[in-house]
Amino acid sequence: NAGVMQNPRHLVRRRGQEARLRCSPMKGHSHVYWYRQLPEEGLKFMVYLQKENIIDESGMPKERFSAEFPKEGPSILRIQQVVRGDSAAYFCASSPGQAISGNTIYFGEGSWLTVV
Amino acid sequence: GENVEQHPSTLSVQEGDSAVIKCTYSDSASNYFPWYKQELGKGPQLIIDIRSNVGEKKDQRIAVTLNKTAKHFSLHITETQPEDSAVYFCAARTGGSYIPTFGRGTSLIVHP
Repeated sequence: NAGVMQNPRHLVRRRGQEARLRCSPMKGHSHVYWYRQLPEEGLKFMVYLQKENIIDESGMPKERFSAEFPKEGPSILRIQQVVRGDSAAYFCASSPGQAISGNTIYFGEGSWLTVV
Repeated sequence: GENVEQHPSTLSVQEGDSAVIKCTYSDSASNYFPWYKQELGKGPQLIIDIRSNVGEKKDQRIAVTLNKTAKHFSLHITETQPEDSAVYFCAARTGGSYIPTFGRGTSLIVHP
């Protein structure tokens, strides 16, 4: 019973490069969330997606950041032209998306991005 | 939107003691309150949750209480063990939203 799978676990990028983080939700889950965690801070919501649809991106920076969850394949969080301030842990979570189940969300192990 | 405050930010206890972490929320429409445990270098893991139609829920050494009138909820860990050392996050979610809002976390340290 695989959980939420994220890769890569660790990623190092130079300033100006692109970072792509991938997330495969738990089996049977159709909703994906991305959160960012800075050192010594809590979990900040970025974006919430269903397959082929962005539901809420109110926490996503307006520039350089984008997210998708295609019909086939994992959800991808893309950061263009990375800067040192993008260094953080990025967590993906998934839920069944069914109101009847309460929408409990389950997290992956995270992707740690370091910008040098 | 929802705002969740969590206290204390750091909690240090001796093995065998109890630990209590408290959270308050702002949106009276919130109806689901999960708690997550995050160990170093890992993702948050759900440890217990409570819904607004319940005042208390217990699972072995862990219990959560909810006071809807005062808009606060608490995590209680009894007979703490060193492996309970981690960062604990509370969260609140309204019925009309799929997105939980998290507190800033409490770093629990259990000394052997």
